[in-house]
Amino acid sequence: NAGVTQTPKFQVLKTGQSMTLQCAQDMNHEYMSWYRQDPGMGLRLIHYSVGAGITDQGEVPNGYNVSRSTTEDFPLRLLSAAPSQTSVYFCASSYGTAVDEQFFGPGTRLTVL
Amino acid sequence: SQQGEEDPQALSIQEGENATMNCSYKTSINNLQWYRQNSGRGLVHLILIRSNEREKHSGRLRVTLDTSKKSSSLLITASRAADTASYFCATPSGGYQKVTFGTGTKLQVIP
Repeated sequence: NAGVTQTPKFQVLKTGQSMTLQCAQDMNHEYMSWYRQDPGMGLRLIHYSVGAGITDQGEVPNGYNVSRSTTEDFPLRLLSAAPSQTSVYFCASSYGTAVDEQFFGPGTRLTVL
Repeated sequence: SQQGEEDPQALSIQEGENATMNCSYKTSINNLQWYRQNSGRGLVHLILIRSNEREKHSGRLRVTLDTSKKSSSLLITASRAADTASYFCATPSGGYQKVTFGTGTKLQVIP
């Protein structure tokens, strides 16, 4: 199993550009989530999904959209990138809930100029 | 806002020594998790302790939970250079659908 995969690994955007961060898992997990990690602030939840077709907001959802059309994929869309969105983004999945063991992807390092 | 706050923020020890890091949280919880993050990598789940457990062991890891003080500690015994990483506690925030991560303790184990 590949586990949780994320693409791209690195990305540089200009302010106002849009892009999609890809996340996929092959463990048939129902729960998937997106976090951003900034220095000194730990991980903050952006959006999460408890199953295909169901998504909800986390702590810092503004400026991001998600969809969950399949169990495997959970893309994160930046609508109009801002320098404040410069961060490392992690996707994670678990069997059922956030308090089950979450398996994390390797992360995407995003810089917005 | 952060539910969990780790202490200390950074810790440097010699190989073979024990490392202790603490997590304090604000609201009542049913369980608490600890994760490890190696530099430049995603987080890896270490252990979950439930509110009715005071102590739990996994290999060289020992986790305690004191619900009256709203705190947990992670002890790594006989540390190795490979234990160098950041350690985060995570607590439920919104039923079982969300967890909130603390700011982490950065551990350096010197060979």
